[in-house]
Amino acid sequence: EVRLVESGGGLVQPGGSLRLSCAASGFTFTSYAMNWVRQAPGKGLEWVSAISSSGGSTYYADSVKGRFTISKDNSKNTLYLQMNSLRAEDTALYYCAIKSYLKFDSWGQGTLVTVSS
Amino acid sequence: DIQMTQSPSTLSASVGDRVTITCRASQTFNDFLAWYQQKPGKAPNLLIYKTFNLESGVPSRFSGSGSGTEFTLTISSLQPDDFATYYCQQYNSYPYTFGQGTKLEI
Repeated sequence: EVRLVESGGGLVQPGGSLRLSCAASGFTFTSYAMNWVRQAPGKGLEWVSAISSSGGSTYYADSVKGRFTISKDNSKNTLYLQMNSLRAEDTALYYCAIKSYLKFDSWGQGTLVTVSS
Repeated sequence: DIQMTQSPSTLSASVGDRVTITCRASQTFNDFLAWYQQKPGKAPNLLIYKTFNLESGVPSRFSGSGSGTEFTLTISSLQPDDFATYYCQQYNSYPYTFGQGTKLEI
């Protein structure tokens, strides 16, 4: 069974940093691209970032480019999102998701990030 | 970037109704278009991928169609469990983008 468990969310002040993790199990982690998608409270879904199966290619939404860094540790089956220079508008529930060629196969349950003073 | 415009934003319907939700893209792309259902407090649930492919375990009353810049999700006969928010997503090119959502309510 595929399992994705996000962690690392919490309350952080504007300008601060946070690192999210997504622990993956139940599938071959090195065979899939991974994505982060977020949802601000009461709002819609926003794609944030993606990383290729090998980790060699990364992609970002304009809203986070230069501030967020996606990475993966294939030896630990874990996806990361390093978030720096956080803003109030980054407040959201952050989901990790597996993507195969055809579709976003599975999503985690999310970790909440709140940026507030 | 491909912008996705979803309509309507809210849809009032009744059990047994046939409903259609539309997503229009700002430019043509290949059929990497997905539809999700989301209920409060839950992660999105994949319904349709690559425009018309039904995800395993999803009831056959859900169907997807479209091409180019216009895509639709149809629910043939609404059931009580279908009242939720629906999103389209293009994953043809980065940045991947979602529609703004359609809240389906009674």
